Amino acid sequence: EPEVTQTPSHQVTQMGQEVILRCVPISNHLYFYWYRQILGQKVEFLVSFYNNEISEKSEIFDDQFSVERPDGSNFTLKIRSTKLEDSAMYFCASSESRPNYGYTFGSGTRLTVV
Amino acid sequence: KQEVTQIPAALSVPEGENLVLNCSFTDSAIYNLQWFRQDPGKGLTSLLLIQSSQREQTSGRLNASLDKSSGRSTLYIAASQPGDSATYLCAPPQGGRFGAGTRLTVKP
Repeated sequence: EPEVTQTPSHQVTQMGQEVILRCVPISNHLYFYWYRQILGQKVEFLVSFYNNEISEKSEIFDDQFSVERPDGSNFTLKIRSTKLEDSAMYFCASSESRPNYGYTFGSGTRLTVV
Repeated sequence: KQEVTQIPAALSVPEGENLVLNCSFTDSAIYNLQWFRQDPGKGLTSLLLIQSSQREQTSGRLNASLDKSSGRSTLYIAASQPGDSATYLCAPPQGGRFGAGTRLTVKP
């Protein structure tokens, strides 16, 4: 069964450093998403991406965050200058076509900012 | 903006019980509703996707219903097992919002 792949599974970074989280969505999917989940809290929407541009973003997705689809397979989330409160699990998801198809999620990247 | 609420927040039952998890959403103009399972420290696994044209969707011991007019969905788990212990999340995929989940514990 097709999967959404996220790398790395765990990343530790120093406060103030830039990090890039990587995702490979399912190949025929057109819509891509990033979510985060702070330990013990709910899954929070960050951004959705379609046709090489952001289609929706939440209030969490401020100027520190950016997304990119640099080639035909990867979808990345960049955090420019990490803060302690950015420590969370980051999930990538994709869907074949919105809104009739559901999400497929990756297994996540655990980001720890120290 | 879509708001999703799940009740109860936590549920503990003995093995073998049938149980119902509830999900309500504020914007009934949804196309479908998806239920997920999340084990501690893990990602989200899709359980069921109900299209707006359907009223129910079944997979094994799981049955999900959708009532768009009332903004509600329920997930029914029959004959619960300890392996069902997890957090269950619902989301209408457009809008991207998730409920906070129901943390289910099934005791042997």
